Amino acid sequence: NAGVTQTPKFQVLKTGQSMTLQCAQDMNHNSMYWYRQDPGMGLRLIYYSASEGTTDKGEVPNGYNVSRLNKREFSLRLESAAPSQTSVYFCASSEASRGARSNQPQHFGDGTRLSIL
Amino acid sequence: AQSVTQLDSQVPVFEEAPVELRCNYSSSVSVYLFWYVQYPNQGLQLLLKYLSGSTLVKSINGFEAEFNKSQTSFHLRKPSVHISDTAEYFCAVTRRSNDYKLSFGAGTTVTVRA
Repeated sequence: NAGVTQTPKFQVLKTGQSMTLQCAQDMNHNSMYWYRQDPGMGLRLIYYSASEGTTDKGEVPNGYNVSRLNKREFSLRLESAAPSQTSVYFCASSEASRGARSNQPQHFGDGTRLSIL
Repeated sequence: AQSVTQLDSQVPVFEEAPVELRCNYSSSVSVYLFWYVQYPNQGLQLLLKYLSGSTLVKSINGFEAEFNKSQTSFHLRKPSVHISDTAEYFCAVTRRSNDYKLSFGAGTTVTVRA
């Protein structure tokens, strides 16, 4: 069981470069999420997707875009990277969906460690 | 909206000693509560959850948490820790109705020393 798979695991970018973080889940989950983790701040939600074809902004969406390509895949794009986006990024998925099964836990990938110089 | 406060950012503890991690939440509606654990260089894993029923919930590796509605708390405890319990622990909450987003606390780093 792969669960939630994130690629790449590490990345170093220069300010202004763009890149896409990939996430795929094999659990047939409805919802998918992107978080960033910074020291002392816990996890903050960037974007989420309740189902294929829908995406919504989370707590800290500025500077990011997402795409829910299909039920399995949910990508996060940085169009013009900034040093403030240096962080560890986590993708998660859940059986929960809009209006249903909110008691289902989220399953996390191992993260992408992103440094922007 | 709901919010979570973890009252301790760092908790050093000796092996075989007890540990308690404190979590308080704020919400205008009923919630589900979760504790997640993150080992070094890994993602978060579900440790235990409170959905309904008995207010004391337990994990397979000896942790337990008690939901206290009047104090809006969900503290995590273990009577005797091991070196392998060294990790960061996150409390999280979601609204029961019509929601599927989690709000996380800032995390508590537990360091177990021999």
